[in-house]
Amino acid sequence: DTGVSQNPRHKITKRGQNVTFRCDPISEHNRLYWYRQTLGQGPEFLTYFQNEAQLEKSRLLSDRFSAERPKGSFSTLEIQRTEQGDSAMYLCASRSFNEKLFFGSGTQLSVL
Amino acid sequence: QQQVKQSPQSLIVQKGGISIINCAYENTAFDYFPWYQQFPGKGPALLIAIRPDVSEKKEGRFTISFNKSAKQFSLHIMDSQPGDSATYFCAASSYGGATNKLIFGTGTLLAVQP
Repeated sequence: DTGVSQNPRHKITKRGQNVTFRCDPISEHNRLYWYRQTLGQGPEFLTYFQNEAQLEKSRLLSDRFSAERPKGSFSTLEIQRTEQGDSAMYLCASRSFNEKLFFGSGTQLSVL
Repeated sequence: QQQVKQSPQSLIVQKGGISIINCAYENTAFDYFPWYQQFPGKGPALLIAIRPDVSEKKEGRFTISFNKSAKQFSLHIMDSQPGDSATYFCAASSYGGATNKLIFGTGTLLAVQP
């Protein structure tokens, strides 16, 4: 499979717990993005990596959120002390040199 | 931060008809305008994209029309099929920006009736 891979596909957690999502981008893509999508809305930008460097973070990304991309390969998004408002689809995308952005299937988070 | 406005919110079209979805943007620095198709439980998939140096781009049954002066662009789906039933998102980005992040519209839920 040469697409963007995200794990897990679904995550149910209790409020206050920490969760971590993983994204494996397309191998030759050095640019990686995290987006969040709530029901009935378009994806909203969260953060961007070029190789291992996190170059931009949205104001949507509170201090409970942290993202990493060690060695410029896979990326993780961690949410600490989850809140019900964090319930959403978390999408990872990677970009090719010609600007096409490819999305994974996302991780659906439900905070109870 | 609603920089890309999309309409209609939902659309019902008969099989074989033309589906038209419209978007308007505010930031004149935007110079890349893609359309994405999303099925339930899946991530958005790139459908077609246009740059402002052309007014129209066609790929199969899908056409983007672009009006730079009005800051508007639209997606036309010709001969709409039930398999086209999905949510469609327009988006925009600035190539010269450091991140080239896409700003998405709110989506249009298209239902093509057989």
